[in-house]
Amino acid sequence: DTAVSQTPKYLVTQMGNDKSIKCEQNLGHDTMYWYKQDSKKFLKIMFSYNNKELIINETVPNRFSPKSPDKAHLNLHINSLELGDSAVYFCASSQPGQGEARSPLHFGNGTRLTVT
Amino acid sequence: DAKTTQPNSMESNEEEPVHLPCNHSTISGTDYIHWYRQLPSQGPEYVIHGLTSNVNNRMASLAIAEDRKSSTLILHRATLRDAAVYYCIRGSYIPTFGRGTSLIVHP
Repeated sequence: DTAVSQTPKYLVTQMGNDKSIKCEQNLGHDTMYWYKQDSKKFLKIMFSYNNKELIINETVPNRFSPKSPDKAHLNLHINSLELGDSAVYFCASSQPGQGEARSPLHFGNGTRLTVT
Repeated sequence: DAKTTQPNSMESNEEEPVHLPCNHSTISGTDYIHWYRQLPSQGPEYVIHGLTSNVNNRMASLAIAEDRKSSTLILHRATLRDAAVYYCIRGSYIPTFGRGTSLIVHP
């Protein structure tokens, strides 16, 4: 039973198209994230939602629009795809604790986006 | 800015212990230290975390320096399946990953 699942696993598309990546977690976590891992393997946070509300937006172009219909889902829609958007996109979730502790992040297995 | 420093890569032989270092000299008193690893073609997975005391779990041990400015992830007996990129992260509002240490395990 997969804890954090992303679809699709692979996505190949042409420049200028619009595409979406879906993410679902069944862990009951309040916080979900999108990370981008580029060809140099650098893992960079893009967005974070807590209980359906945006709490982190790390200078991501407006072409990227996350949507959280409920706290178990965080989808990523990308408009007007560019070559530089090619990367692996990871969804993650966690349950922020009270006080010092933050629960571990649970990651999906990624969506490899290739823009041609 | 990941605010942690790790060597780019390390090598080990199978069944030998591995000590993966991490410097986090600007860590605050309430920041936990988390370790994750990323196996090829997979998402990162949690390994271990701690605040001040050394920690052990089924995957690894975490040794935290007394001044908390550094920590060491210890794999007691490396296996080929431990070959991965290991990330050390300071617990913060924004979980930020650095480049990690790529661990190569030789048979």
